[in-house]
Amino acid sequence: GQQVMQIPQYQHVQEGEDFTTYCNSSTTLSNIQWYKQRPGGHPVFLIQLVKSGEVKKQKRLTFQFGEAKKNSSLHITATQTTDVGTYFCAGRRDSNYQLIWGAGTKLIIKP
Amino acid sequence: GAGVSQSPSNKVTEKGKDVELRCDPISGHTALYWYRQSLGQGLEFLIYFQGNSAPDKSGLPSDRFSAERTGGSVSTLTIQRTQQEDSAVYLCASSLAPGLAGGQETQYFGPGTRLLVL
Repeated sequence: GQQVMQIPQYQHVQEGEDFTTYCNSSTTLSNIQWYKQRPGGHPVFLIQLVKSGEVKKQKRLTFQFGEAKKNSSLHITATQTTDVGTYFCAGRRDSNYQLIWGAGTKLIIKP
Repeated sequence: GAGVSQSPSNKVTEKGKDVELRCDPISGHTALYWYRQSLGQGLEFLIYFQGNSAPDKSGLPSDRFSAERTGGSVSTLTIQRTQQEDSAVYLCASSLAPGLAGGQETQYFGPGTRLLVL
């Protein structure tokens, strides 16, 4: 069946360093969404990408959707303690299917 | 209400007992999802309701799990004869119909029900 692989599982960074998480789908996606889950909280929507090669920015966050619409990335520049949490991607093959979720990448800021 | 609500927020039960978890989606959202999240793990899809279509039950882990959505709104997830491995946070999310553009497929999550089976 359709899978979305997300790497890495964890990333430890010093505050101020950059962070990147990657998602790869086994099938072409109609769109991909990104969510953030703070420790003890529930996932909160960040953004949706729909177009091939699309790049969207939210302040220090940059989201990309690959040309083939099979992969996506989230890059955070100059991490801050407020960025701590787990970042999930979720892709949809088409409107007839439910979202397929990546396993998440946990961002940990080193003290 | 303004968001997705779930009840109870916490549930402790004994192995073998049945439990019912409730989800009230955002008014007007036709899609409703149930997920399970074990401690420190990702989201495990359980079931998906979309309008009046037959639900997608492909994620239910066993026949002890079932869910209903009455009147296209409130949903109940029932776990029969609970086992210790059922302990997890059960999350409900709702959205407008999938396939719409402009971010309208955003899933809005409830706070979850933390289930502990002793």
